[in-house]
Amino acid sequence: DAGVTQSPTHLIKTRGQQVTLRCSPISGHKSVSWYQQVLGQGPQFIFQYYEKEERGRGNFPDRFSARQFPNYSSELNVNALLLGDSALYLCASSLGTSGGQETQYFGPGTRLLVL
Amino acid sequence: DAKTTQPTSMDCAEGRAANLPCNHSTISGNEYVYWYRQIHSQGPQYIIHGLKNNETNEMASLIITEDRKSSTLILPHATLRDTAVYYCIVSSGNTGKLIFGQGTTLQVKP
Repeated sequence: DAGVTQSPTHLIKTRGQQVTLRCSPISGHKSVSWYQQVLGQGPQFIFQYYEKEERGRGNFPDRFSARQFPNYSSELNVNALLLGDSALYLCASSLGTSGGQETQYFGPGTRLLVL
Repeated sequence: DAKTTQPTSMDCAEGRAANLPCNHSTISGNEYVYWYRQIHSQGPQYIIHGLKNNETNEMASLIITEDRKSSTLILPHATLRDTAVYYCIVSSGNTGKLIFGQGTTLQVKP
């Protein structure tokens, strides 16, 4: 069975540009979460989406936005890129049915470099 | 969500059991203990989770103390491929947010 997939695997952008990262959850999973991991630190929660609705949001500026599609895939958008946005962006999926305790499964990530 | 405290690094000899401790003294009654690991530059891999009973799966065992204030992840026969950063996370799951700390860097040595 396919796990969580993310695209692209690597991306290079310049300051001020905008970027869109994509995620496809495990088949049957309805919830997607996004995390940012800068070098040397643990992942930090950005968003969770369930049934196309935002369920949770971390402490990130409004330059970060996301959406979820009817097929449960998701996009993370970052506008006006800063050097500090360089990181590994991780997507995780979960069943999303219990509204509570669920295991999240992570994709391989998209490595973004902002020059 | 409760915070966790883990040692920064640990070594383990190949073939021996690796015991990774985690302190979560402020855990609430509805919070689970999750363990993930991350091998260099890959996405975190789910290992195991539990509420209050000990748990075992094909990867590891999780021992949670009776007062639930600490836990230990046990890799019964560590291999070189188990070298990774191991994260202990306490989460109620209501917000879908996992709070990662710095984790424990486990180095398995031949």
